Amino acid sequence: AQSVSQHNHHVILSEAASLELGCNYSYGGTVNLFWYVQYPGQHLQLLLKYFSGDPLVKGIKGFEAEFIKSKFSFNLRKPSVQWSDTAEYFCAVTPGTASKLTFGTGTRLQVTL
Amino acid sequence: EPEVTQTPSHQVTQMGQEVILRCVPISNHLYFYWYRQILGQKVEFLVSFYNNEISEKSEIFDDQFSVERPDGSNFTLKIRSTKLEDSAMYFCASSRTNTIYFGEGSWLTVV
Repeated sequence: AQSVSQHNHHVILSEAASLELGCNYSYGGTVNLFWYVQYPGQHLQLLLKYFSGDPLVKGIKGFEAEFIKSKFSFNLRKPSVQWSDTAEYFCAVTPGTASKLTFGTGTRLQVTL
Repeated sequence: EPEVTQTPSHQVTQMGQEVILRCVPISNHLYFYWYRQILGQKVEFLVSFYNNEISEKSEIFDDQFSVERPDGSNFTLKIRSTKLEDSAMYFCASSRTNTIYFGEGSWLTVV
C-alpha cells in the first residue's frame, strides 16, 4: 500500500521568505501526485497536480512542485510567501485512474507579518 | 466553476443516533468518495463509489457506515449508530478521471 510522508509538521515563516515543504511517497508503480491546501475553516482545495510530463508543475497562487522520481519526492515550493498563505498543506498520492487518495499528515504553515 | 456541495455544514447529534450526510457531486463526474478528518489529524479515505456500487473501502468503513446514490445527483453517507469517535469533518469528493475535487465538508459532532 502506498504511503505519504510530510516531514515538516509546522513551519513558521516571515512574509517574503521562500518556502519548501517536503513530501515523500512510497509506491513502486506510476503515481499521480497532488498538493491540496486547507485554509482555516475551509475545505480542501487543489493547489497543483502531477500526472506525467514536465516534472516541474506550476499551480495556483504562485506555488510549484517538482517531482523527482529517483527520490520519490514531490516537494512544494513558493519563492515568496504571503500572510494569506497561512494554511495547512497536504500532499497526496493516488496510484492510478480514479483511485483513492492517500494523504500525508499535513504541514501547518504560519506566515507572520 | 462546478463544485461539490455538502449538507449540512455542521451537525450535532447524540451518541447512538443515525446521521445522514448529503453530497451533490459535480454533475459529469463518475467516481464519488467520502473522506474524513478528525480534528488535528490527517484526511482519511473512507469509501469510493462507482457505477452504483462501492469500489473500495477502508477499515474505518465498517458496518455502521453505508453509502447510497438514491437518485442521479445525490450521494449520501449514513452512519447508523454514531459513536463519540465519529466526530470529524466528513468530506465528499468526486472525480471524472484522475483529479479529485472536494466539497466544503460536513462537521459532525457526536455528544
